[in-house]
Amino acid sequence: AQSVAQPEDQVNVAEGNPLTVKCTYSVSGNPYLFWYVQYPNRGLQFLLKYITGDNLVKGSYGFEAEFNKSQTSFHLKKPSALVSDSALYFCAVRDMDSGTYKYIFGTGTRLKVLA
Amino acid sequence: GAVVSQHPSWVICKSGTSVKIECRSLDFQATTMFWYRQFPKQSLMLMATSNEGSKATYEQGVEKDKFLINHASLTLSTLTVTSAHPEDSSFYICSAIVYGGALNIQYFGAGTRLSVL
Repeated sequence: AQSVAQPEDQVNVAEGNPLTVKCTYSVSGNPYLFWYVQYPNRGLQFLLKYITGDNLVKGSYGFEAEFNKSQTSFHLKKPSALVSDSALYFCAVRDMDSGTYKYIFGTGTRLKVLA
Repeated sequence: GAVVSQHPSWVICKSGTSVKIECRSLDFQATTMFWYRQFPKQSLMLMATSNEGSKATYEQGVEKDKFLINHASLTLSTLTVTSAHPEDSSFYICSAIVYGGALNIQYFGAGTRLSVL
C-alpha cells in the first residue's frame, strides 16, 4: 500500500535559522511528490512538486525540497525561516494505484518560527 | 497559479437542513475536482472524486446519499450536505486538477467551515 509519513507533529525553529520539515513515502513505481502549506481557516497552497529531473526542487516563498530515492524521502527546506512561515505543512504523493489523480496526504507538520 | 474559489467560507445551519457548497475553477477548466473533509488538527480525508458529466466516485465509508456531489460544468462542482447533523460540522475543502503534461497539480479552494447547531 502506498503511504506518506510526516514523523514530526511540530517543528520549532528560530527566525533566521534554516528549517527542515520531514517527509518519507512508500509507493510503487516512480513517485509524484508535492508539498502544500495551510494557514488557519484556509485551504492548501501549492508550494512545490517533484515529478522527475533534478533532485533539488525549488518552489514558492523560498522553499525547496530534496528528493532522495534511496531514503524514500522528500524533505522540505528553507535556508532562513521567517515568522510568517509558521503554518501547517502537508506532504502528498499521487496515488498511482488508483488510476486517478488522487493524492495521499501525510498527517501534517506544524511549523512554528519563533521571533 | 490556478485559482479555485469556494463558497461560502462559513455557514451555520440548523440540524436537519441541507447546505450546498460550491467549488469553482476561475481561470481554467477542471474535468476533475476533489472534495475533502478536515477535522481539527488532522489531515485531509478525501471524500469523493467529482468528474464533469458523470457520477462522483466516493471513498469507502462516505455516505453518497448524505453528501451529494454534482459536477455539471467544467468549472463548477457542488457538495450538498443533506439533513445535516452536528456530527457533520467540519471544514470542507475542494480542489481541482490542472492538467498539464505530467504536472497534474491539485489547486485548493479556501475551504468552508460548516457548523450545524
